Amino acid sequence: EADIYQTPRYLVIGTGKKITLECSQTMGHDKMYWYQQDPGMELHLIHYSYGVNSTEKGDLSSESTVSRIRTEHFPLTLESARPSHTSQYLCASSVLAGETNVLTFGAGSRLTVL
Amino acid sequence: GQNIDQPTEMTATEGAIVQINCTYQTSGFNGLFWYQQHAGEAPTFLSYNVLDGLEEKGRFSSFLSRSKGYSYLLLKELQMKDSASYLCAVMDSNYQLIWGAGTKLIIKP
Repeated sequence: EADIYQTPRYLVIGTGKKITLECSQTMGHDKMYWYQQDPGMELHLIHYSYGVNSTEKGDLSSESTVSRIRTEHFPLTLESARPSHTSQYLCASSVLAGETNVLTFGAGSRLTVL
Repeated sequence: GQNIDQPTEMTATEGAIVQINCTYQTSGFNGLFWYQQHAGEAPTFLSYNVLDGLEEKGRFSSFLSRSKGYSYLLLKELQMKDSASYLCAVMDSNYQLIWGAGTKLIIKP
């Protein structure tokens, strides 16, 4: 039973389209993240948030935006998709306080841009 | 720059023991994490080390040496379901996670 939900799981779209990847968590976690993961490569942080109305850029943020209007919801938007955006996108959340900062991940959204 | 190194792929036999190494060079250190990721699934948390030494959790153990910038994940009594990628990640001085590319572990009968 997943505590963090991502939709869609799979998406194939054409170049230039605007897309939003949804992420919701039911754990009341303050901190949320978006990562990009390609096969055999490390996770790259795209955006993160410390809580409502907080958004921060990661390493690969220049071509996407996020919002955090509600604690449980952290959508990622690509304004104009390109083939280079083809990848797996993982959403995660964690408690803000505490030393361990263990991440709980969603199942991922696999995006293919033609 | 910051860097996490771990082997790309390892093969082991069911019932055996395997050790997956991770070396790191980061700006500061606030703990090291191991995650397991089955193909097509989300990473799941395995272990966390912030002090030197061995942490044991059932069939899995994780070791840390901060002076050497080194950790390993030890898996005992390997089962077929242990076939997965194992991700090493270090939390740096800014409490940001630096990830390794993962080690794909293949278990053979």
